Amino acid sequence: GNSVTQMEGPVTLSEEAFLTINCTYTATGYPSLFWYVQYPGEGLQLLLKATKADDKGSNKGFEATYRKETTSFHLEKGSVQVSDSAVYFCALKSGGTSYGKLTFGQGTILTVHP
Amino acid sequence: DTGVSQDPRHKITKRGQNVTFRCDPISEHNRLYWYRQTLGQGPEFLTYFQNEAQLEKSRLLSDRFSAERPKGSFSTLEIQRTEQGDSAMYLCASSLVLGRRDFPQETQYFGPGTRLLVL
Repeated sequence: GNSVTQMEGPVTLSEEAFLTINCTYTATGYPSLFWYVQYPGEGLQLLLKATKADDKGSNKGFEATYRKETTSFHLEKGSVQVSDSAVYFCALKSGGTSYGKLTFGQGTILTVHP
Repeated sequence: DTGVSQDPRHKITKRGQNVTFRCDPISEHNRLYWYRQTLGQGPEFLTYFQNEAQLEKSRLLSDRFSAERPKGSFSTLEIQRTEQGDSAMYLCASSLVLGRRDFPQETQYFGPGTRLLVL
């Protein structure tokens, strides 16, 4: 079956540091890949997505590249801010199917200090 | 543009009681999903609707759980005879899928969730 593995957290960084959160997946076919972010007290928000190999998703300074050869979708940001403190979830949606259930990783807590 | 809304936001109940949650999707979204999230874990799929039809249910959805979307708009999730293991955040999401070309790009928009605590 499908699965998503994220690097274990929590991750603690100083403001303006470089961020990488690793995500690897197992899936049949050609899944679509997503990063969602959950700020304290709020629901999940889509951060970025990529639907085919070598696609790069980007938003708000965050980037992730769909690497089929390594089955990875690592999240990166060059300079984090305190406001980026949140829980980040990597997720996949199976390709070639008519339904769209998402399979999520366990989440990575990011804390950014001033 | 209103997002997905869920009601109530919090629910405390005693073991054995029945509870019902409501989800209002983004207007005109034809797909609606329910997920469950326990502390420290990512959301897990429970069930989904295409318009009013319930097309898939997870094995996580025991006989005590039932979901409806009677007119293809809002949805309800009922848990009968609640157990302490049902304590979790219940998330609803909606999306718009018009054809096969939309499948890879489909984006689910999540509500704030209903946090259930069973005592």
